[in-house]
Amino acid sequence: DQQVKQNSPSLSVQEGRISILNCDYTNSMFDYFLWYKKYPAEGPTFLISISSIKDKNEDGRFTVFLNKSAKHLSLHIVPSQPGDSAVYFCAASEGGGADGLTFGKGTHLIIQP
Amino acid sequence: ETGVTQTPRHLVMGMTNKKSLKCEQHLGHNAMYWYKQSAKKPLELMFVYSLEERVENNSVPSRFSPECPNSSHLFLHLHTLQPEDSALYLCASSQERWGQTQYFGPGTRLLVL
Repeated sequence: DQQVKQNSPSLSVQEGRISILNCDYTNSMFDYFLWYKKYPAEGPTFLISISSIKDKNEDGRFTVFLNKSAKHLSLHIVPSQPGDSAVYFCAASEGGGADGLTFGKGTHLIIQP
Repeated sequence: ETGVTQTPRHLVMGMTNKKSLKCEQHLGHNAMYWYKQSAKKPLELMFVYSLEERVENNSVPSRFSPECPNSSHLFLHLHTLQPEDSALYLCASSQERWGQTQYFGPGTRLLVL
């Protein structure tokens, strides 16, 4: 049973607009969440993270929102750029509990010119 | 060299072969991880090492054997693999265990014939 779910396998957004990637989780013990970006033939690259004590974290064009009651997080990219085209993975961990990260299946973001 | 490196980048092996994957991190981290990414599946955690001690083994078959000789190097020894073991194998490291951002290598694309 998947504990981290990304229900959209792909998303197409026009350049300059906002991209919103969504992620849901089921394990209430998760307290640290991350977004990774992956290009073909490369390993995932860390983008941004958020601790469960916060509901928003912003870094440049990237903002992550966490809704603990809904067990939902989202990544907003604004404005979207062609170089943002990649697969985005949501990941979660239990601080002080299990090691390693639990990943979603990823969402392929395509930025249209 | 910076970050996390992995060799080889691509590997083709027969089911009776023995091979090893190598990972090296240049970040001064104390924890290292092996993940497996199969087609259309999320990344799956295989092994966790903290300060050179294996702390987690996620029910991985014994045909995969990890080794961590020091905090900078991690190996994954492979023997008598099956075709379904074909996947992308990713190494990652983090400063410490638990709730830490992990940094990934580029991966080794393995094909078992």
